Amino acid sequence: EAGVAQSPRYKIIEKRQSVAFWCNPISGHATLYWYQQILGQGPKLLIQFQNNGVVDDSQLPKDRFSAERLKGVDSTLKIQPAKLEDSAVYLCASSLEAGGGETQYFGPGTRLLVL
Amino acid sequence: KDQVFQPSTVASSEGAVVEIFCNHSVSNAYNFFWYLHFPGCAPRLLVKGSKPSQQGRYNMTYERFSSSLLILQVREADAAVYYCAVEDLACAGNMLTFGGGTRLMVKP
Repeated sequence: EAGVAQSPRYKIIEKRQSVAFWCNPISGHATLYWYQQILGQGPKLLIQFQNNGVVDDSQLPKDRFSAERLKGVDSTLKIQPAKLEDSAVYLCASSLEAGGGETQYFGPGTRLLVL
Repeated sequence: KDQVFQPSTVASSEGAVVEIFCNHSVSNAYNFFWYLHFPGCAPRLLVKGSKPSQQGRYNMTYERFSSSLLILQVREADAAVYYCAVEDLACAGNMLTFGGGTRLMVKP
C-alpha cells in the first residue's frame, strides 16, 4: 500500500516570498492533516480536513497560511508571504476517518528554510 | 493550554530495556499514540491505545495522565526520536497533541 506522498521534499525561499506544499493521502482516507514541526519540537496541528471540509483550523495563522482540499483527495498548503519563523518541516498525515483511536499515517514532510 | 511532556533525551545500552515516559495535562484525553521518527523519514506509529498494549518489542503502559513506551532488547538501530501524542476527545475530529519528542541514544 502506498503511503502519504508529499512534495517538494525541500524548499528554500527568501522572506516575503510565497511557497506551496502538496500532499497526496493514502487512497480512501477521508481525513487529512497538516502539521508544522519546528526544529526540536513535536508536530503541531495546523489544519484538519474531513473529505473537502475543514474540521479544525484553530491553530492556522490565517493571515498568511491557507490550505485547501477541493476534491477531497489531494491537498495544498500555502504560505504567503513567508516569515523567518516559518522555517520548519511541514508534515501531512491521513487517516481512514476522524474517529477515536484512528491511526494517523504520516508523509516524509517538506523541509522549508526561509532566509 | 493542553500540553504533553516527555524527556528530551534517554540513553540505553544494547540489549537492555529502555523506558520513555510521557505525561500530559489534556483534560479529555483518551488514547495515547507512540510514534518513531527517523529524521527525514515519515513518523511511524509503534503502538497506541487506552490500555496497556504490546506490538513486537514495543510495550505501552497506560494511566489516566501518563504512559510509558518500553522498548525491549534495544538495538543500535533503535536510535531515533520517539513522540508521545495524546488524543483529545473534546475536540472535533479527535485531534492529537504531541510531546516534544525523546531522542534515544544507544550505547554499544
